[in-house]
Amino acid sequence: EADIYQTPRYLVIGTGKKITLECSQTMGHDKMYWYQQDPGMELHLIHYSYGVNSTEKGDLSSESTVSRIRTEHFPLTLESARPSHTSQYLCASTESSEVRDEQFFGPGTRLTVL
Amino acid sequence: QKEVEQNSGPLSVPEGAIASLNCTYSDRVSQSFFWYRQYSGKSPELIMSIYSNGDKEDGRFTAQLNKASQYVSLLIRDSQPSDSATYLCAVTKYTGRRALTFGSGTRLQVQP
Repeated sequence: EADIYQTPRYLVIGTGKKITLECSQTMGHDKMYWYQQDPGMELHLIHYSYGVNSTEKGDLSSESTVSRIRTEHFPLTLESARPSHTSQYLCASTESSEVRDEQFFGPGTRLTVL
Repeated sequence: QKEVEQNSGPLSVPEGAIASLNCTYSDRVSQSFFWYRQYSGKSPELIMSIYSNGDKEDGRFTAQLNKASQYVSLLIRDSQPSDSATYLCAVTKYTGRRALTFGSGTRLQVQP
């Protein structure tokens, strides 16, 4: 079973607030990812990281930013939340060797911006 | 054309039957293939991974991969009402970022 944690699980916040979504994993995985999923829709990659001090933007344009200062921690920040940011945010990680590539997901954060 | 295509369903099967879920992908360099199960409001849960052509069985689940046809499927034997969920097909490539590209999912309903 994957040990990947996300907090908060649910967040309701007003427009203009700064928020940070936390993601931590205890498996020592080098690669970590953030996906965004609207209800009933596909998951889309918004950020990824190969390791410490390595972050890249994904396929779906996002106003969020991420950092990777420690292997186990990959937080996502929105400087000024807007209603268009309302969505579910899913963090994932993988060891990603040449023969195995499985990604494991955290429980997700459901964000609502009023 | 989407990179990963799935029939959105719903696919309805009676309890105890075999559910067959299908997925096609467009990029021939795709190398790793996964099936995730997602219950409503929850995060995806990995149920099968397959990396080479052929069948891979794990309990009631069998994944089938045909790289020549760019096709991957999931069979669920002895379907149970608890199997009712959305099943997501996902692929990665060995080059680059190795992130998952997901299909839109097939909703499975198992009727008691």
